[in-house]
Amino acid sequence: GIQVEQSPPDLILQEGANSTLRCNFSDSVNNLQWFHQNPWGQLINLFYIPSGTKQNGRLSATTVATERYSLLYISSSQTTDSGVYFCAFQAGTALIFGKGTTLSVSS
Amino acid sequence: EPEVTQTPSHQVTQMGQEVILRCVPISNHLYFYWYRQILGQKVEFLVSFYNNEISEKSEIFDDQFSVERPDGSNFTLKIRSTKLEDSAMYFCASMGGTWAGELFFGEGSRLTVL
Repeated sequence: GIQVEQSPPDLILQEGANSTLRCNFSDSVNNLQWFHQNPWGQLINLFYIPSGTKQNGRLSATTVATERYSLLYISSSQTTDSGVYFCAFQAGTALIFGKGTTLSVSS
Repeated sequence: EPEVTQTPSHQVTQMGQEVILRCVPISNHLYFYWYRQILGQKVEFLVSFYNNEISEKSEIFDDQFSVERPDGSNFTLKIRSTKLEDSAMYFCASMGGTWAGELFFGEGSRLTVL
């Protein structure tokens, strides 16, 4: 099956810093999505981004399907951005998750 | 804003008991899912469900597990003869009118097996 690698596995930032999270895929993927799992365990949709670039406030995402990667940009990070960020792709009817990037933002 | 709701939020059970986790998907969604997340690990696909039948299931979803849509709104996950290793967060999710869409998750049901 398709392998997904998320990097970095862990990231520690000071409030106000910018960061880039990455997902690499071993093959072409469909229907890429990014999720944030907050410290309370909730999975929150960030982006549905099969291709192209989207922005939502301080967050933006880019998927280059032909190059088999997707990026999530977080600008001016806040403590509330802490948690785990997952990318996920469609395989059959299932959405398959990467192992995530754990982000800790300190004030 | 429509949301997926799950009950209970936390259930503690004795090993060997049966548990039923309940979900109410977003009302106009047609595709339903259960996922599992063992503490500190990644989110794992269990099963997808459409038109009152299982569409796909993972290796984790063995005979111990079953799903049902008993009425027009609820979607349940039954776990028989629970084991210690079944302790995890179980997430329900739903998707709209196509398999190729955005997936929305409930807040999860934490299952603790003692």
